[in-house]
Amino acid sequence: ETGVTQSPTHLIKTRGQQVTLRCSSQSGHNTVSWYQQALGQGPQFIFQYYREEENGRGNFPPRFSGLQFPNYSSELNVNALELDDSALYLCASSFNAGTVNTEAFFGQGTRLTVV
Amino acid sequence: KQEVTQIPAALSVPEGENLVLNCSFTDSAIYNLQWFRQDPGKGLTSLLLIQSSQREQTSGRLNASLDKSSGRSTLYIAASQPGDSATYLCAVKVGDDKIIFGKGTRLHILP
Repeated sequence: ETGVTQSPTHLIKTRGQQVTLRCSSQSGHNTVSWYQQALGQGPQFIFQYYREEENGRGNFPPRFSGLQFPNYSSELNVNALELDDSALYLCASSFNAGTVNTEAFFGQGTRLTVV
Repeated sequence: KQEVTQIPAALSVPEGENLVLNCSFTDSAIYNLQWFRQDPGKGLTSLLLIQSSQREQTSGRLNASLDKSSGRSTLYIAASQPGDSATYLCAVKVGDDKIIFGKGTRLHILP
């Protein structure tokens, strides 16, 4: 098991609602990335946070937003939920020391269902 | 734009056989390549990480190779077991520290 923990594990929301997902990164890691995995697909990069700033974003609309806290934990917020937002949301942590070769460790994910 | 393709999409083999999973990527400018395992409804477990300067990595019954110039990687599983049944994902790390995934290969080992 990695030291990356996500909460909650499962969540059901109604279309139009807002949701917050949480991630605690592995000890010593300063970078957190979020991914969306639809059923039968590979994970898709949403965005990354490094030192509390967004540091790269994939092809996701602004209603997907995030935060990183001083202890390097992170939140993913999704506003105005749509049915297509139903997916497994994965958090990955890594250590960025000026290189980009570090290994990413993933949490177990949050299964979001929008009805 | 980097794209990662995994072939086959699904594979069933009898227990005990050796097998190879294939991964290809379109842009050789990668920092590293990782193979992950994913059980149904679960998160990702990292199996092997190959840095761009390396050719292969081994862990137990698993061996992964990387040919950056041709944009290919293989994951070799020796003496397969029913517990190896899972989806195997190949992923490359590109600029901006972003990871691009393939869609995975669903592996079923027949007892």
